[in-house]
Amino acid sequence: GDSVTQMEGPVTLSEEAFLTINCTYTATGYPSLFWYVQYPGEGLQLLLKATKADDKGSNKGFEATYRKETTSFHLEKGSVQVSDSAVYFCALSDRGTGNQFYFGTGTSLTVIP
Amino acid sequence: ETGVTQSPTHLIKTRGQQVTLRCSSQSGHNTVSWYQQALGQGPQFIFQYYREEENGRGNFPPRFSGLQFPNYSSELNVNALELDDSALYLCASSLGLAGDRETQYFGPGTRLLVL
Repeated sequence: GDSVTQMEGPVTLSEEAFLTINCTYTATGYPSLFWYVQYPGEGLQLLLKATKADDKGSNKGFEATYRKETTSFHLEKGSVQVSDSAVYFCALSDRGTGNQFYFGTGTSLTVIP
Repeated sequence: ETGVTQSPTHLIKTRGQQVTLRCSSQSGHNTVSWYQQALGQGPQFIFQYYREEENGRGNFPPRFSGLQFPNYSSELNVNALELDDSALYLCASSLGLAGDRETQYFGPGTRLLVL
């Protein structure tokens, strides 16, 4: 079945450091890939998405490229800020399974000044 | 345009009781999905409703049931509550079979504690 695996946390970085959060997936159909962010006490917010191979999603300085050959969708940001502290979830939606969303377990990021 | 809203925000129940959680979808969205998020875990898909019909179900027992109303708002009902049902319950809406159907917009969640 479909699944998402993302790197274990927590991750602690200094402000302006480079961020990578790894995400790999398994899908039976043609998935779209997403990164959602969850700030403390809040629901999930869509950060970025990519719907086909080689697409790059980007938002707020974050980027992720849909790599079909490595079944990956790693999240990157060149210079993190304290306000980026949150839990990040990688997810896929597989058109072959009725657009059900599959989420990873989340990676907690703390950015210190 | 209003976002997804959920009520109540917090709820405490005892084992064996029944609970109803409510969700109002984002304006124009006809599809609602429900998720259970245990502490420290990613959301797990419970089921999805499209135009008042169930349109997919995850690996949850029948005591988890739902409804969608003509205005596309939705309810999640859980009977015979168990301690393991303690979690954050998230509702998400999307455009269904039209437009950007793949992107789901989440509400803030209802935190349920079963004692």
